[in-house]
Amino acid sequence: ETGVTQTPRHLVMGMTNKKSLKCEQHLGHNAMYWYKQSAKKPLELMFVYSLEERVENNSVPSRFSPECPNSSHLFLHLHTLQPEDSALYLCASSQEYRAGLIIGYTFGSGTRLTVV
Amino acid sequence: DQQVKQNSPSLSVQEGRISILNCDYTNSMFDYFLWYKKYPAEGPTFLISISSIKDKNEDGRFTVFLNKSAKHLSLHIVPSQPGDSAVYFCAASTNSGYALNFGKGTSLLVTP
Repeated sequence: ETGVTQTPRHLVMGMTNKKSLKCEQHLGHNAMYWYKQSAKKPLELMFVYSLEERVENNSVPSRFSPECPNSSHLFLHLHTLQPEDSALYLCASSQEYRAGLIIGYTFGSGTRLTVV
Repeated sequence: DQQVKQNSPSLSVQEGRISILNCDYTNSMFDYFLWYKKYPAEGPTFLISISSIKDKNEDGRFTVFLNKSAKHLSLHIVPSQPGDSAVYFCAASTNSGYALNFGKGTSLLVTP
């Protein structure tokens, strides 16, 4: 399998649930990202990982917890979310994070999250 | 504060004509500008980029123009095809930044 794969594609969860989003890339990239796309808003950066180290946490609430066990996998752990957290969560990767600023990222298809 | 703005949420163009998608930015320190295309149920895919030292970059039917003094860039698609119907995102970055800054997107519809 090639590219960036995100699972699940759709997720409905209650406000008291705990769930995780998974992202996997088979491109040999060293940087991975979580972005959030809410309705009528720009893509918002959440987290940046470079060589499994977090290099940026963009003031994201602690109910979102990222994990990057290796350069190929990225998780977003979710707990006690609010309905306003419903959005499309996109994972992306790049050769390394500086290169991504110039030549762009490869995105996954996203996880459509609905919090009820 | 939103640094990259796409003020037209949607655009409709006839097949064969030119599509022009616009993007404005506020940060004069941006060094690179990129355009992404997104189909429904898919992630955005990279389309074309331009460095701040250039004012034009062309790739087939797609050309990006950069006007630094106006802090404006545009994506021209000519001739437009129905398969170009998608949401187009403008993005920008600085050399010292951590990630891309995106606009809200413009939905392009190319009609036969």
